[in-house]
Amino acid sequence: AQSVAQPEDQVNVAEGNPLTVKCTYSVSGNPYLFWYVQYPNRGLQFLLKYITGDNLVKGSYGFEAEFNKSQTSFHLKKPSALVSDSALYFCAVTSPDRGSTLGRLYFGRGTQLTVWP
Amino acid sequence: DVKVTQSSRYLVKRTGEKVFLECVQDMDHENMFWYRQDPGLGLRLIYFSYDVKMKEKGDIPEGYSVSREKKERFSLILESASTNQTSMYLCASRLQGAGGTEAFFGQGTRLTVV
Repeated sequence: AQSVAQPEDQVNVAEGNPLTVKCTYSVSGNPYLFWYVQYPNRGLQFLLKYITGDNLVKGSYGFEAEFNKSQTSFHLKKPSALVSDSALYFCAVTSPDRGSTLGRLYFGRGTQLTVWP
Repeated sequence: DVKVTQSSRYLVKRTGEKVFLECVQDMDHENMFWYRQDPGLGLRLIYFSYDVKMKEKGDIPEGYSVSREKKERFSLILESASTNQTSMYLCASRLQGAGGTEAFFGQGTRLTVV
């Protein structure tokens, strides 16, 4: 079975400080991992993904994420948070095993990030 | 720009009504999905489709049905709306067979059943 856990419902950080939003996953085989962001009353926007290669992937708006296979984690990071980063963040996983997933993404429950001035 | 368009941003319907939520994508994607989003519960998959006229139940299909008569359009149907179906509904599409591609989401439909 495939699943994603986001252990923190909320993350609060001061503007200018580094931020981390945590994600751990469970998947059979190699994972494909994604981060999405959602602003109020909007759909989800893609931020970045890990498929293969370098464990550190860079995405939109200065975000990056580190894939750690031994810890089955894919934490989202940003060196210096902005107030405008305040939003709901979702981690998702799928597997290249097309037969078992039919392309489905499995999402975590989301983490509300608040950056205060 | 790729696009997934949901027919309504906000809907208010009465209990017992039959409700149609429409989703159209312009990317020629095989896979399309309907999710429901509720506070604290994240995204829960209702139904998905991997080809025209093909559908699979997700995690919470009860009270819903879907239709995919054309590749670009995926409709979610609430046969008899109930107040516990008040929620945000999100449609998504994704290319099939290339596991590394991301899904694209519509802007969401906030449905209120009164």
